[in-house]
Amino acid sequence: DGGITQSPKYLFRKEGQNVTLSCEQNLNHDAMYWYRQDPGQGLRLIYYSQIVNDFQKGDIAEGYSVSREKKESFPLTVTSAQKNPTAFYLCASSTRPAVDEKLFFGSGTQLSVL
Amino acid sequence: QKEVEQNSGPLSVPEGAIASLNCTYSDRGSQSFFWYRQYSGKSPELIMFIYSNGDKEDGRFTAQLNKASQYVSLLIRDSQPSDSATYLCAVTALYYGGSQGNLIFGKGTKLSVKP
Repeated sequence: DGGITQSPKYLFRKEGQNVTLSCEQNLNHDAMYWYRQDPGQGLRLIYYSQIVNDFQKGDIAEGYSVSREKKESFPLTVTSAQKNPTAFYLCASSTRPAVDEKLFFGSGTQLSVL
Repeated sequence: QKEVEQNSGPLSVPEGAIASLNCTYSDRGSQSFFWYRQYSGKSPELIMFIYSNGDKEDGRFTAQLNKASQYVSLLIRDSQPSDSATYLCAVTALYYGGSQGNLIFGKGTKLSVKP
């Protein structure tokens, strides 16, 4: 089955710790995205990538980092510089950005601070 | 600041009624409009998209777009308790974040369908 796999489903971060959220897709999509969702809020774009080895900052990139070494994978690292990381993180992909923006989402990772 | 506005609700309708969800957007250059449904604790799923002015129907769902008024709506006919969810409106924003075609999401409208 084609889809987007996020792991882990739940993640806890200690003070000063960096954590990495995994996102893998087998849809052969070019574009991948990371969104953050806070309770009662819409989705805010953290980073996006339209092609391998290239990525761009979204609206709230501070305290986060990404890589896109393979078409299938787009991991997100939440660094210790992100002071309020508790949120629901969603990875998404689409076929061709700016032509077909329909997004397919993974099941999400809930990150909490210990 | 490009914005997408939705009434947060909750919008409560009886089973079998028509639910009407509304969304306004600020970027006149927006070309594509999407409705996502999100159940509590789950990820959003695309239920409708519309690109042209007018109505687009898919089963019990109808999306309506009026670009002159910068307004997009979603109608759900014969509402069912299983339709109870948060509905997110998303709109393309040219050059958002430095790249054409990225989406801006509203905060969502919570719909509750009572049996």
